[in-house]
Amino acid sequence: DTEVTQTPKHLVMGMTNKKSLKCEQHMGHRAMYWYKQKAKKPPELMFVYSYEKLSINESVPSRFSPECPNSSLLNLHLHALQPEDSALYLCASSQGVRGANSPLHFGNGTRLTVT
Amino acid sequence: KNQVEQSPQSLIILEGKNCTLQCNYTVSPFSNLRWYKQDTGRGPVSLTIMTFSENTKSNGRYTATLDADTKQSSLHITASQLSDSASYICVVSATGTYKYIFGTGTRLKVLA
Repeated sequence: DTEVTQTPKHLVMGMTNKKSLKCEQHMGHRAMYWYKQKAKKPPELMFVYSYEKLSINESVPSRFSPECPNSSLLNLHLHALQPEDSALYLCASSQGVRGANSPLHFGNGTRLTVT
Repeated sequence: KNQVEQSPQSLIILEGKNCTLQCNYTVSPFSNLRWYKQDTGRGPVSLTIMTFSENTKSNGRYTATLDADTKQSSLHITASQLSDSASYICVVSATGTYKYIFGTGTRLKVLA
């Protein structure tokens, strides 16, 4: 079982809905990430939080809003999404940042479908 | 531009056979390279991590090599099993950055 827990596993939402994805880790990691993965493609970085502060926003549309309430939790708030936003959303954590010798630990993702 | 390329794009082998996956990168300054295995519908799982000074590392039936001069890495899978069917992703980190650069992956299918 993965040490990074994501909920829900599956989510279907309409374009006018507001929903949130949740991610939790208890490994004491200080960096947390959101990735978006389309079928047969590698994960694409969306956001990085380091010590609970947003460090990187990869020019993600404002309909995606990240939040890091504490060092163990990471949320992704969704509003007014488009069908092309349908994808697997992966959360990850690592001990440190800046390419340190620590692997990314991924959750199993939330499969999002926008109708 | 930092890039990671993998080959082949996909591979089909028979159970019990060996295979080798390739990763070429143009990431500078290089920090480390990781191989991940991703089963369908699940998150990637780290197999190995290699730094500049390491040229071989094993994890069970998986052996990774790194040639920092030619900027190439390989992942060798010995005595393949049906459970090895997955995507294998090469990920490279650059020193001083917050980003992990992902390759496009190799989709491996092991047939009985």
